[in-house]
Amino acid sequence: KDQVFQPSTVASSEGAVVEIFCNHSVSNAYNFFWYLHFPGCAPRLLVKGSKPSQQGRYNMTYERFSSSLLILQVREADAAVYYCACSSNTGKLIFGQGTTLQVKP
Amino acid sequence: GAGVSQSPSNKVTEKGKDVELRCDPISGHTALYWYRQSLGQGLEFLIYFQGNSAPDKSGLPSDRFSAERTGGSVSTLTIQRTQQEDSAVYLCASSPRTSGGYNEQFFGPGTRLTVL
Repeated sequence: KDQVFQPSTVASSEGAVVEIFCNHSVSNAYNFFWYLHFPGCAPRLLVKGSKPSQQGRYNMTYERFSSSLLILQVREADAAVYYCACSSNTGKLIFGQGTTLQVKP
Repeated sequence: GAGVSQSPSNKVTEKGKDVELRCDPISGHTALYWYRQSLGQGLEFLIYFQGNSAPDKSGLPSDRFSAERTGGSVSTLTIQRTQQEDSAVYLCASSPRTSGGYNEQFFGPGTRLTVL
């Protein structure tokens, strides 16, 4: 079955580097997407690709079946739900359950 | 510029009633996707459109669910004879195209459906 797996919760302290891990069992998937979601708002793409990449404070690692999102210098305002997703050739995204990031001051 | 919009933002209905959820994608985006997020769950794919046709409807949970897209733009997701388990946030996303599976999907804020 095509599934994406990620931890339900990650906790961190302000200023630290946070890592959120994701792996999948999606056949023919080769791209990872990391979305940020504040409930009630539209999910927003942070970083994507089939190789390691960086967008501002967001780094993405890449392996064939796994990826990590690294958030540098995490802030309280980063507390939200982070979704990992994989895509196949059709463009359909398979999402993980989402990881709630908790940030302690 | 305008992003993806969805209406209504909230919908409360009684069990057994039909509901229609609307999505206005970004102008010029040929691909449109519907997802559902049930409480405590991740985003679940429902259906996607390329233009007005739906090559993949595999995520629709039952025949009570249907969707259409007209003019390559607006899409409507219809749920007939709603059940309590249909309560969820329904998210729509659009993308310039589907080929390659690499294109960013731009999401709307969702419609929160509550079935009493």
